[in-house]
Amino acid sequence: GAGVSQSPRYKVAKRGQDVALRCDPISGHVSLFWYQQALGQGPEFLTYFQNEAQLDKSGLPSDRFFAERPEGSVSTLKIQRTQQEDSAVYLCASSLDNSPLHFGNGTRLTVT
Amino acid sequence: QKEVEQDPGPLSVPEGAIVSLNCTYSNSAFQYFMWYRQYSRKGPELLMYTYSSGNKEDGRFTAQVDKSSKYISLFIRDSQPSDSATYLCAIWQGGSEKLVFGKGTKLTVNP
Repeated sequence: GAGVSQSPRYKVAKRGQDVALRCDPISGHVSLFWYQQALGQGPEFLTYFQNEAQLDKSGLPSDRFFAERPEGSVSTLKIQRTQQEDSAVYLCASSLDNSPLHFGNGTRLTVT
Repeated sequence: QKEVEQDPGPLSVPEGAIVSLNCTYSNSAFQYFMWYRQYSRKGPELLMYTYSSGNKEDGRFTAQVDKSSKYISLFIRDSQPSDSATYLCAIWQGGSEKLVFGKGTKLTVNP
């Protein structure tokens, strides 16, 4: 596709529910990143893939957060037992190796 | 101390004004300097990208990097209402390293 595509655009979850957020990167982009953006803040790094390998997950806030990219293209960010503090916009970005990131429009998660 | 500091504003200017946006950073290893623009309910969009000290110009936009002071700036000339957005500075070591963002400065250009 023309850009990074994320779905759903909006997600409302009750506290304790599991959610799965999808990212379709730009075709051919090797690198894929997930960022979390709280209201009024800049994006904060969560995790990074190069092809199917998860090379850095140092930004995942807890073991309730899990990301995968099994075939080196589409990626899923899963959050188990959601908490109110998980409410944020989750941004996916992709890039060719060693080049600037291209972001999707994000998934806005609200935990009630 | 955060790796990247950015004044969150908000900043409100009249149409046609020159806008100056700034960030400071702490890690000398950072090599690449970017400015992203983010409209409401959209993802960040790359505006300018540079890796050396000095100025880089693109239309009404000029990015300035001073590595000795660890200070980066974005200037917008002849600002337009369509420039109203949040501007994020972002700094990168390169390779597989993560991009580190400032908090963003919310800019409103009033017609």
